[in-house]
Amino acid sequence: EDQVTQSPEALRLQEGESSSLNCSYTVSGLRGLFWYRQDPGKGPEFLFTLYSAGEEKEKERLKATLTKKESFLHITAPKPEDSATYLCAVQDGRSSGYALNFGKGTSLLVTP
Amino acid sequence: NAGVTQTPKFRVLKTGQSMTLLCAQDMNHEYMYWYRQDPGMGLRLIHYSVGEGTTAKGEVPDGYNVSRLKKQNFLLGLESAAPSQTSVYFCASRVVRSVEQFFGPGTRLTVL
Repeated sequence: EDQVTQSPEALRLQEGESSSLNCSYTVSGLRGLFWYRQDPGKGPEFLFTLYSAGEEKEKERLKATLTKKESFLHITAPKPEDSATYLCAVQDGRSSGYALNFGKGTSLLVTP
Repeated sequence: NAGVTQTPKFRVLKTGQSMTLLCAQDMNHEYMYWYRQDPGMGLRLIHYSVGEGTTAKGEVPDGYNVSRLKKQNFLLGLESAAPSQTSVYFCASRVVRSVEQFFGPGTRLTVL
């Protein structure tokens, strides 16, 4: 059973068209929820860590929020350079060596 | 400061051949991880290390061995490669006092 489920699998937006990516999780004892960005042929790049329900973090056009069951990554007025795969991951009480449990990702394409 | 580096970037093996993937970090991080990434699946933990001389199994350890003889290096070995080990391999590291994991650029391995 998947612990981390991301939706949609793929999303195509026009430049300036705001939207949200979803990450739902089922873990006990959440230690942290992480968002990463991954460009083609590269390793994941850290964006945010959220620790408790109600927490929000922002970085440029991105805003991450967390509830007890899911997290959203809101993208406001996206630009083509925001095109990438966005990965969600959780760390819970059973995580081996504090490793991360990743979702399958959402592939975002922003067209001019 | 190069961060996390991985060698080689690409490799093609024949079934039954062996090879070693090298991960090096210059940030003095205690924790190091090996993940594999396959299409349609999230990153999965293979092995990890919480310090020099220590290693432990992750979610998908079969067919792989690791060693951490020096704090800055984490080696992943395939003794007898199989086509099912065709994947992109990522190394990551983190310092004890932080949750953020830094990823390397990846090694794309094809086993024929």
